[in-house]
Amino acid sequence: AQSVTQLGSHVSVSEGALVLLRCNYSSSVPPYLFWYVQYPNQGLQLLLKYTTGATLVKGINGFEAEFKKSETSFHLTKPSAHMSDAAEYFCAVSHTTGNQFYFGTGTSLTVIP
Amino acid sequence: EPEVTQTPSHQVTQMGQEVILRCVPISNHLYFYWYRQILGQKVEFLVSFYNNEISEKSEIFDDQFSVERPDGSNFTLKIRSTKLEDSAMYFCASSRGDRSGLYEQYFGPGTRLTVT
Repeated sequence: AQSVTQLGSHVSVSEGALVLLRCNYSSSVPPYLFWYVQYPNQGLQLLLKYTTGATLVKGINGFEAEFKKSETSFHLTKPSAHMSDAAEYFCAVSHTTGNQFYFGTGTSLTVIP
Repeated sequence: EPEVTQTPSHQVTQMGQEVILRCVPISNHLYFYWYRQILGQKVEFLVSFYNNEISEKSEIFDDQFSVERPDGSNFTLKIRSTKLEDSAMYFCASSRGDRSGLYEQYFGPGTRLTVT
């Protein structure tokens, strides 16, 4: 069985501060891990993904995430928050092509000027 | 850049009525999906579709739901007799399903279904 836990349903950071959004997963097989962002009234946009290879993955808009197998984590970070980063962020896990994604409950990021 | 499109963006219907939500996946994609997101809750998987048949479905996808690919471009979700609890945002997604696509699912903007 697979599941995703996102700690913190709401995170607030000051503009220019570090963004850290946490994601832990459980999976009985090697996972594929994803972060999606959802802006108000819009669909889900892929930020980055880990499938195989390098465990530190870089995505769009300056975000990156590191797959840590020993910690079953895939936390999302960005060194310096921008106002335009305010959105809902979802972590998701899958394990093979064609299979469903399991999503976390999401983390709403607020950026304070 | 190719994208998944969905129509309508917002659908209001009365309880007990049938609704059809429409999606146009990315043209060279092979796998198609429906997810839903009840307000304030997580995105939940409903069904995946490959090679003109359902490949996987969740417990939510009961007999009142059906999917169809009526032609080469559209992918539809039908809810036969809507209930109040069907009110949600419904997302369509598609994926290439091959190694070059690296299992990424592309999501549409969603259809907000309101059942009154």
